[in-house]
Amino acid sequence: AQSVTQLGSHVSVSEGALVLLRCNYSSSVPPYLFWYVQYPNQGLQLLLKYTSAATLVKGINGFEAEFKKSETSFHLTKPSAHMSDAAEYFCAVSDQAGTALIFGKGTTLSVSS
Amino acid sequence: GAVVSQHPSRVICKSGTSVKIECRSLDFQATTMFWYRQFPKQSLMLMATSNEGSKATYEQGVEKDKFLINHASLTLSTLTVTSAHPEDSSFYICSAREQDRDSGYTFGSGTRLTVV
Repeated sequence: AQSVTQLGSHVSVSEGALVLLRCNYSSSVPPYLFWYVQYPNQGLQLLLKYTSAATLVKGINGFEAEFKKSETSFHLTKPSAHMSDAAEYFCAVSDQAGTALIFGKGTTLSVSS
Repeated sequence: GAVVSQHPSRVICKSGTSVKIECRSLDFQATTMFWYRQFPKQSLMLMATSNEGSKATYEQGVEKDKFLINHASLTLSTLTVTSAHPEDSSFYICSAREQDRDSGYTFGSGTRLTVV
């Protein structure tokens, strides 16, 4: 069964600093990988997804993630943090198109001025 | 883009009553919908997968008689929490997959259920 592990339940950065949120996956087949952002009491917004095309995936709001099969990782990065990036971030995996997404435990990103 | 509407956004009910949550795909046909539950400061836990016109598939540990899921059309799935108790208080989120759209999942805005 597939799973994801998000290292670090809480990440704090200064405004303008690099954001790095870590995600490692476990899957017996080539996975579909996703990053979502959630603001308080709201649903999930898709940041980006990997579906076996380019390994470097660019998403919305300046985020990108790189699929590294050798490391079973799909870390999320953003070169320069903005105050509005403060939110909960979830990495998710599915083992085939159409099956339910399995989520990591989430990482809370705090951005200080 | 694909939009999923989830209602109500918040509901407070008395213990022992039932609550229905609706999840609608507004501009696409959703062959499959998923229901998740999220406890405060925690991740989303998959409750069940529903396919249009067939019975839902529940995850282990989820009481199917308590959490009734209906997916009667390609645009609507409902979750009914029956005989609700305070421990059912949680944030419920639906997700819909667009038919034939490669790995496209859209999430509703969630429903905050409080049972008093």
